Amino acid sequence: EAGVAQSPRYKIIEKRQSVAFWCNPISGHATLYWYQQILGQGPKLLIQFQNNGVVDDSQLPKDRFSAERLKGVDSTLKIQPAKLEDSAVYLCASSKREATEAFFGQGTRLTVV
Amino acid sequence: AQSVAQPEDQVNVAEGNPLTVKCTYSVSGNPYLFWYVQYPNRGLQFLLKYITGDNLVKGSYGFEAEFNKSQTSFHLKKPSALVSDSALYFCAVRDIGDSNYQLIWGAGTKLIIKP
Repeated sequence: EAGVAQSPRYKIIEKRQSVAFWCNPISGHATLYWYQQILGQGPKLLIQFQNNGVVDDSQLPKDRFSAERLKGVDSTLKIQPAKLEDSAVYLCASSKREATEAFFGQGTRLTVV
Repeated sequence: AQSVAQPEDQVNVAEGNPLTVKCTYSVSGNPYLFWYVQYPNRGLQFLLKYITGDNLVKGSYGFEAEFNKSQTSFHLKKPSALVSDSALYFCAVRDIGDSNYQLIWGAGTKLIIKP
């Protein structure tokens, strides 16, 4: 089966600009996660969707980050405006149900200059 | 509070020797436990999981992990290390009773296998 698809793989933007990331989960996976991973650290959950509803967005900086999952399939994560400290890898993952393992995309490496 | 500890930032092992990467956890209920591996410039890959049943779980690439409820540990092991096993390893836990099914991650352990 096809894995989790993410685009773009790399993005360089200036601070205060906006950026969007796209994720296509594995077909049939109801749960979708967006993680932020700073170099040398473990992944930090930004937002978790169950179908197109938000289960957990407690660590999402809502003043600048937003995410949506229309129709319960693809998802986009947006940052506006970006700050230097947003430089990280943004990982998308999906799972069949909340209680099973998550499968990850290759991530988008964001550099804010 | 739920937490995962990976006490070693880095583990160095000679090729051919057995390896162990340690993980301990804290949850209020029963745990689901996972190990993931991350190669440079790659996303996380699922290695193995413990849900229920046998305490010894076998996974991908010859890895296995042992669930020890009394010690709240889930150490990752491999009998004979390969240079290609060098990567970043993450342990994660989910509390079965958590209605949000949130996955708690360890900080990761860098595994270096020397030829």
